[in-house]
Amino acid sequence: GIQVEQSPPDLILQEGANSTLRCNFSDSVNNLQWFHQNPWGQLINLFYIPSGTKQNGRLSATTVATERYSLLYISSSQTTDSGVYFCAVVIQGAQKLVFGQGTRLTINP
Amino acid sequence: NAGVTQTPKFQVLKTGQSMTLQCAQDMNHNSMYWYRQDPGMGLRLIYYSASEGTTDKGEVPNGYNVSRLNKREFSLRLESAAPSQTSVYFCASGTSSYNSPLHFGNGTRLTVT
Repeated sequence: GIQVEQSPPDLILQEGANSTLRCNFSDSVNNLQWFHQNPWGQLINLFYIPSGTKQNGRLSATTVATERYSLLYISSSQTTDSGVYFCAVVIQGAQKLVFGQGTRLTINP
Repeated sequence: NAGVTQTPKFQVLKTGQSMTLQCAQDMNHNSMYWYRQDPGMGLRLIYYSASEGTTDKGEVPNGYNVSRLNKREFSLRLESAAPSQTSVYFCASGTSSYNSPLHFGNGTRLTVT
């Protein structure tokens, strides 16, 4: 089945720093989403981005479908950005959203 | 703006007991899903309903049943709970089957002793 690999697994930064999270996938996809799970366990949809680039405030995401990866950028990190970031993909022809293992981001004040 | 609402938030069961987790969405979404999340792991799909009147198995359906009661509601039933079903359960919904953003409820933390 499709493999979804996220890196790094853990990232610890100071407030104000920038970060890049990566998601690699092993097959062609027609759906890629990024989620943030906050320390209270809530899962928030950040981006639906099967291809191209999107921006939402300090966050942006880029998916290069032909090269099978997606990047999530967080600029000027805040402590509220802490949590686990998941990418999830649907391979072409399937109806199953497959999640990566996540990147745990800790932003220290 | 309730979004996706799950009940209960917490539940403790003894092995062999049964229970139903409830999920309702008010976004007029066609597709609904049940996931489980175990420590250190991503989310795994239990069952999904691409549209009202249909349900299909996901990656880990054993020990569970579902009912798509109407367009708004999708319930997950554990007929005979086992300790291996201790997990956090999330319900989600989307406009169409997987080709739209997914919105999650706040989860149900279930412990089976």
